[in-house]
Amino acid sequence: DTGVSQDPRHKITKRGQNVTFRCDPISEHNRLYWYRQTLGQGPEFLTYFQNEAQLEKSRLLSDRFSAERPKGSFSTLEIQRTEQGDSAMYLCASSLTSTEAFFGQGTRLTVV
Amino acid sequence: GIQVEQSPPDLILQEGANSTLRCNFSDSVNNLQWFHQNPWGQLINLFYIPSGTKQNGRLSATTVATERYSLLYISSSQTTDSGVYFCAVVKDMRFGAGTRLTVKP
Repeated sequence: DTGVSQDPRHKITKRGQNVTFRCDPISEHNRLYWYRQTLGQGPEFLTYFQNEAQLEKSRLLSDRFSAERPKGSFSTLEIQRTEQGDSAMYLCASSLTSTEAFFGQGTRLTVV
Repeated sequence: GIQVEQSPPDLILQEGANSTLRCNFSDSVNNLQWFHQNPWGQLINLFYIPSGTKQNGRLSATTVATERYSLLYISSSQTTDSGVYFCAVVKDMRFGAGTRLTVKP
């Protein structure tokens, strides 16, 4: 499978715990995007990388959210001290610069 | 940032009917995509269409960049077409709120 891969697919965590999600983009794609989607809403842009450089992070929801793409390949999104309001689908996409983007299957987070 | 508006928010059709979904955007864009979100939440690429018209089976899309809108046409709708359709402006990575389509048998 050469599509965008996200892991895990589902995560249930207790409030206050830290969680980390992984995204493996389509190989050779230099851009990688993270989105959050809550029920009934469109995907909400969080941040994106061009290779290993994080070019936009002002839309990360709070300082509890952070993302990395250390070698310009896979990326991780971490949420510290999770809250119930963090429950959502977290989506990753990749593309070549400013061209068609492809999405992974998402990670569904439930904070209890 | 660019504002993206989709209409209608909800659409209910009888199987076999045709439909048009609209996406308006507030600024010039160099690329726009249409997606279908399946019941499991995955976004399926339908069209990458910065301008002009493309067709894929029963679906086609037209983007008129100078007038800042795009249209998605679904002909002879089937129950499997049900779901949420999103347009996204890749320049700003911003999505519209989507059109929820329900096709009844």
